[in-house]
Amino acid sequence: SYELTQPPSVSVSPGQTARITCSGDALPKKYAYWYQQKSGQAPVLVIYEDTKRPSGIPERFSGSSSGTMATLTISGAQVEDEADYYCYSTDNSGNQKVFGGGTKLTVL
Amino acid sequence: QVQLVESGGGVVQPGRSLTLSCVASGFSISAYGMHWVRQAPGKGLEWVAVTWSDVSNKYYADSVKGRFTISRDNSKNTLNLQMNNLRAEDTGVYYCARDYYASGSYPDYWGQGTLVTVSS
Repeated sequence: SYELTQPPSVSVSPGQTARITCSGDALPKKYAYWYQQKSGQAPVLVIYEDTKRPSGIPERFSGSSSGTMATLTISGAQVEDEADYYCYSTDNSGNQKVFGGGTKLTVL
Repeated sequence: QVQLVESGGGVVQPGRSLTLSCVASGFSISAYGMHWVRQAPGKGLEWVAVTWSDVSNKYYADSVKGRFTISRDNSKNTLNLQMNNLRAEDTGVYYCARDYYASGSYPDYWGQGTLVTVSS
């Protein structure tokens, strides 16, 4: 079955740039999406279709994709950005959806 | 505003069945694809199933294929998940989520989840 691979954890100091990667063989042809999940809460969409930001999501969140890797970048990370982040995409058929294993972002 | 409220979770023995429901408000589910996503305790998100708005297209994760059935009742604006032959590894919080499109693309709005515990 199709898999997306993320680093388990990323740590930055407040104000620094955090980058979270997601690799998958189908990413050259399929969009990547990013979800933020804070402790005890439902996930929230922060990036869709590789680079687009939903309304209400701060401008410090951005996305990019090149080849088999998608990247979520948080420029000037803040303490409130501490959360688990998941990438999401589909296999080449488009019908099997998958989440990456998740990355715990620590900002301190 | 868009709201999704799941119900039906609880404690169930291995091998038994359970049906989850998700009542939507603020939009009509007939126009959207709808997903179920689950999260085992302390683990990551796992996509479970999706139904397109046209109901003829339904897709499942390999881990639940043949055991779970996703369905919708547009008249009640409700999404359901029938879960049969439950296993301990099915334990977790089950989230209902709306797709951005009528087809199954990506979830944009999520409910708060309902907890399913499979244990003897």
